[in-house]
Amino acid sequence: AQTVTQSQPEMSVQEAETVTLSCTYDTSESDYYLFWYKQPPSRQMILVIRQEAYKQQNATENRFSVNFQKAAKSFSLKISDSQLGDAAMYFCAYRSALSRNTPLVFGKGTRLSVIA
Amino acid sequence: NAGVTQTPKFRILKIGQSMTLQCTQDMNHNYMYWYRQDPGMGLKLIYYSVGAGITDKGEVPNGYNVSRSTTEDFPLRLELAAPSQTSVYFCASSPTRRSSYEQYFGPGTRLTVT
Repeated sequence: AQTVTQSQPEMSVQEAETVTLSCTYDTSESDYYLFWYKQPPSRQMILVIRQEAYKQQNATENRFSVNFQKAAKSFSLKISDSQLGDAAMYFCAYRSALSRNTPLVFGKGTRLSVIA
Repeated sequence: NAGVTQTPKFRILKIGQSMTLQCTQDMNHNYMYWYRQDPGMGLKLIYYSVGAGITDKGEVPNGYNVSRSTTEDFPLRLELAAPSQTSVYFCASSPTRRSSYEQYFGPGTRLTVT
């Protein structure tokens, strides 16, 4: 079974600075998807960024980018120019591409605080 | 589009009571999921469905039942509530096309069993 590990329960960053959240995963599959979800105090799960394992290029969405190291099974999230609204729980998630109905496997999350 | 909606947002149950958590999506997604999120943890899959009339167990199905009579609705039933079921419940859906494997989540239902 696949597992996702987020080794940083809590992180903090100064406003306008850059922070990197770590995620590692364990799988024997070669085709899969990786995601970062943001969960603010409202509890809504919001997709931040997605990476297809077959793509070598790292995904980028505005201030959010990932460092995908397939051989190392590492998938870190970098947030640039941090804003107060970035404060939230961040979950790394894995989804197999073997079939369309496979669920997401989540890490335990990293709580990010942004200091003004 | 409303996306994925869940009702109720909050509920307090007594031990042994039953209730149904409602989930509806208006995106015509075939795949739907129920997750629970315990404090300080990520989400764990309870049940999922790949289409109307088809459901299957996830990682933590004990104490729950589901049905899928329509594409839009995927209710989760708790028959005999126990304190261990105190959690936040999320419903999610996803489209079938390979180009989009992400899941769209509802706002969650916070359930307390006392």
